[in-house]
Amino acid sequence: AQTVTQSQPEMSVQEAETVTLSCTYDTSESNYYLFWYKQPPSRQMILVIRQEAYKQQNATENRFSVNFQKAAKSFSLKISDSQLGDTAMYFCAFMISIASGAGSYQLTFGKGTKLSVIP
Amino acid sequence: ETGVTQTPRHLVMGMTNKKSLKCEQHLGHNAMYWYKQSAKKPLELMFVYSLEERVENNSVPSRFSPECPNSSHLFLHLHTLQPEDSALYLCASSQDWAGADNEQFFGPGTRLTVL
Repeated sequence: AQTVTQSQPEMSVQEAETVTLSCTYDTSESNYYLFWYKQPPSRQMILVIRQEAYKQQNATENRFSVNFQKAAKSFSLKISDSQLGDTAMYFCAFMISIASGAGSYQLTFGKGTKLSVIP
Repeated sequence: ETGVTQTPRHLVMGMTNKKSLKCEQHLGHNAMYWYKQSAKKPLELMFVYSLEERVENNSVPSRFSPECPNSSHLFLHLHTLQPEDSALYLCASSQDWAGADNEQFFGPGTRLTVL
């Protein structure tokens, strides 16, 4: 079974500072995808950033970037120049093919990290 | 309405009640999902529908019964629930059921409390 571990239940960061959220995963698969989702207090979850395991280059999306260490099975999220709107739950997620044919992809989520940006 | 909408946003029900959760997506997607989000636990995928056909059922108790009458609507019928079923139920949709290129778009969720 695949697992995703987020070891930091809660974190805080000063506005304009940089923060890194950690995520590790366990899988025997070689082909998979990793995601970070953000769930603000309004609860609508949105995709922040995505990384394909076969790509060595770390994904970047504006102030959000990842540090993907495939051998270590680590996938951390760095938020630069933190803003008040970044306050949210952040979920790391993992996707592999679980079977051929229909319904072959499933997202596995970590428990989340609650990030608070302090003015 | 845009994106994925869910109604009701909050629901309180007794263990003997029958209720339904509704999800609607306005994105022209072909796949829809139900997730359960409990406190201190990871999101759990419950059901996946592709083109109105159920393609995934993650050992969910029969007191949860999904229905997908068309590709834009998804229901979760609830019957004889238990207090441990209290959670946030999230609906999501994606263009297709397969492939990580198919980003899942989530609704705001229904906060369910079972008394």
